[in-house]
This record gives sequence, structure tokens and C-alpha cells, in this order.
Amino acid sequence: SAVISQKPSRDICQRGTSLTIQCQVDSQVTMMFWYRQQPGQSLTLIATANQGSEATYESGFVIDKFPISRPNLTFSTLTVSNMSPEDSSIYLCSVVLEQGAAGANVLTFGAGSRLTVL
Amino acid sequence: GDSVTQMEGPVTLSEEAFLTINCTYTATGYPSLFWYVQYPGEGLQLLLKATKADDKGSNKGFEATYRKETTSFHLEKGSVQVSDSAVYFCALSHTGNQFYFGTGTSLTVIP
Repeated sequence: SAVISQKPSRDICQRGTSLTIQCQVDSQVTMMFWYRQQPGQSLTLIATANQGSEATYESGFVIDKFPISRPNLTFSTLTVSNMSPEDSSIYLCSVVLEQGAAGANVLTFGAGSRLTVL
Repeated sequence: GDSVTQMEGPVTLSEEAFLTINCTYTATGYPSLFWYVQYPGEGLQLLLKATKADDKGSNKGFEATYRKETTSFHLEKGSVQVSDSAVYFCALSHTGNQFYFGTGTSLTVIP
């Protein structure tokens, strides 16, 4: 299984600032996914990051607020821009591990980055 | 569209009690079904999965059976431990790249 490293693991940020979260995978993957988990809630997909093309954003999320980079097949960054307290969440990087004939593709997550915006 | 509905929490059980967390889904065709677990301060980990009707996924004493007729994938464990305290998420995927998650059920096991 893939090992996904995320940093920072947690941070406290001031309103109006921006923070970039890094995600490193120990194997090459085609797609990387960024999720948000707001306090006490389930996961919401922010965007899908493909190497060599622009990220695909889900409804309600825009590139200006959540710019994403995907410079190679093992790395991605998510920036949370112009933060407000409503952006306080856990941000999770994930990848799909293809099982092929062995079974369903499995979504594997990093440990998450817990952001608190004051 | 596809969706997952999970039993509302929080759930509090005594050690060695029987656990059931209900999960039902709405989807066309035959999605793959998953249970993920999130321990305090950590990311989500795959607990078990099932890819077709009547499949039973199992891991760490947890089980869930893919029931097409009731569109359900309930999570069960015969005897919970304090270390099972976590948030449990039911999920489905059709394409293998798009996943739909339930709202999560928080479980606390007390000694």
C-alpha cells in the first residue's frame, strides 16, 4: 500500500493569510485527491489533481480559493487562500490504489492537516 | 445520484458489547462498498471492503456483508474493545475514482 505524507500536520493561522499543504506519495500515482473534513462532518471532495493538467474542482470550490499544484506523479500541494474561520478543517490528501482484477480500487489517505483559523 | 446514509451517532458501548453501525446506500448497478475508520488525530484508514453482492468484508474482528436486496452494508463486531473508539465512515464507489462517504458514526467504548 502507498504511504502518504502530509505537512503540516496542524497549524493555527490568522484570518486573511494563506497556507500551503504538501502531500508526498511514495509511489507514482495518476490522480491525487484533496478532501475537506469540517468539524464533526463527513468528507467533501475539493478537487482532483492530475499531473500535467489543471485540477478539476467540485461544485462549491474554486481555483482562486484553493489553488493546487501537481508538478510530478508523487507530489501535490493545496493552498488555502485568504483564510477565514470557516476554513478551519482537516484537509486530507488521498490517492487511489488500483487493485486490478484483485478487487475494488481503494482510496488511501494521508494523516491530514488540521487547520485552525483565528 | 449515488449516496450513503449512515446511522447517526454518537454511539457509546461498554467493552465486550456487540456493535452494529447501520449503512444503506443509493446507487445504480453494483458499486463497491467500504468501511473506513478514523482514530483520534489521524486520517482515514480502510477497515474492510466488498465488491459484489453477498460478499463479506472482514478485518480486526469487524464484518460487513454486501446486501443488494436491502442496499445495506452494516458494520458489526461481536466484542468491542476500548481501542475501537473511533469514527467509522461507510463509503461507496462506482468508478474507482469517485467515492461517496456517509456522515460518519462516532464510537466510544468505555471500560
